[in-house]
Amino acid sequence: EAQVTQNPRYLITVTGKKLTVTCSQNMNHEYMSWYRQDPGLGLRQIYYSMNVEVTDKGDVPEGYKVSRKEKRNFPLILESPSPNQTSLYFCASSFNRLSYEQYFGPGTRLTVT
Amino acid sequence: AQTVTQSQPEMSVQEAETVTLSCTYDTSESDYYLFWYKQPPSRQMILVIRQEAYKQQNATENRFSVNFQKAAKSFSLKISDSQLGDAAMYFCAYRSKTGGGADGLTFGKGTHLIIQP
Repeated sequence: EAQVTQNPRYLITVTGKKLTVTCSQNMNHEYMSWYRQDPGLGLRQIYYSMNVEVTDKGDVPEGYKVSRKEKRNFPLILESPSPNQTSLYFCASSFNRLSYEQYFGPGTRLTVT
Repeated sequence: AQTVTQSQPEMSVQEAETVTLSCTYDTSESDYYLFWYKQPPSRQMILVIRQEAYKQQNATENRFSVNFQKAAKSFSLKISDSQLGDAAMYFCAYRSKTGGGADGLTFGKGTHLIIQP
């Protein structure tokens, strides 16, 4: 089944404790991205990757890192999480940067206390 | 940069009635995609319908249709014969075809649709 998976689905952590949210897709997609969703703000792009070893900042990159060492994986790294990073995070992928359809993962609910 | 505006934070409709969700956007580009996504309580993002800007014909998908007014930069979603399963948050989104900006989707803030039985 074609899908985007994220782990963990739920995470509660404390300020400053490094964490990684994994994202994996099995569709051989070139383009992957991360979004965060906050009430009243919709979804905003954090980082994106057009292919292996090619990443770039989205609209709200501060406090996040990403890497793309393999085509299927695109982890989101929070080196020193803060409470303002409490949010719902979505990973998405598409065939390439111009494909009209993006496939979304199920979301990761992160709470930073 | 592109912006997407959904001016209705919440809408309510009786089951079996028709409801229209509004979306306007701002862009200097001439070719792009527009989308409506549905987010039910499960939080999964589900693509409802898409429209390509160069296509004048409005997209339809079963009970869902759009009214795309390119000159007015308006992209409304009409849901006919509303069903209880349509209750969700709906997001309007824009994506450049030329890969400008951050290359991803630009979302509106969402409209919470309530279906009254």
